[in-house]
Amino acid sequence: GAGVSQSPSNKVTEKGKDVELRCDPISGHTALYWYRQRLGQGLEFLIYFQGNSAPDKSGLPSDRFSAERTGESVSTLTIQRTQQEDSAVYLCASSLAPGGNTGELFFGEGSRLTVL
Amino acid sequence: DQQVKQNSPSLSVQEGRISILNCDYTNSMFDYFLWYKKYPAEGPTFLISISSIKDKNEDGRFTVFLNKSAKHLSLHIVPSQPGDSAVYFCAAIGFGGTSYGKLTFGQGTILTVHP
Repeated sequence: GAGVSQSPSNKVTEKGKDVELRCDPISGHTALYWYRQRLGQGLEFLIYFQGNSAPDKSGLPSDRFSAERTGESVSTLTIQRTQQEDSAVYLCASSLAPGGNTGELFFGEGSRLTVL
Repeated sequence: DQQVKQNSPSLSVQEGRISILNCDYTNSMFDYFLWYKKYPAEGPTFLISISSIKDKNEDGRFTVFLNKSAKHLSLHIVPSQPGDSAVYFCAAIGFGGTSYGKLTFGQGTILTVHP
């Protein structure tokens, strides 16, 4: 597709379960970002990939969170042993170059995670 | 450490009038400042940006002003239209050090434009 695609769009899970969120960036975009937005809050940076490596994973909130990227394309964000505070919209973005040269990133529609 | 702050959670404006959204930042090393717009159930979309070496950038109804000495930027929308109703996020990016290419967002301001 032409834009950033994320799946699932909605995920409801029970506390303690693991979840995987997927992001398909725009073809040819080397940089990929994960952000999250908790209810009533701004966008919180989680991790950034350049190619398949992650130069900045400083935003991952705990060791329950991990992410990988393969083939300089698809990325998966995994949350283990989910907690209620993990409930948020997880947004993926991509850009041709790190930071899109001037900061212009292309966002997907997000994956809404609800942990009961 | 909130490096980019939007202190107004919401703003309500009459159609045809000017909307002014404000943003403050603390990191003097940012290279670009941006505004993103977000509708419900959609991802944020890029609206307008300004380089740290400029003080104004205009694109149609949208103008961004940067005051580096005050570490403040604002987005002016003139004239405001009901379709402009959305959440507006201020963001900043630097291309130096460990934060290379990382976009830092403010908390967002909900703009409502009344017909």
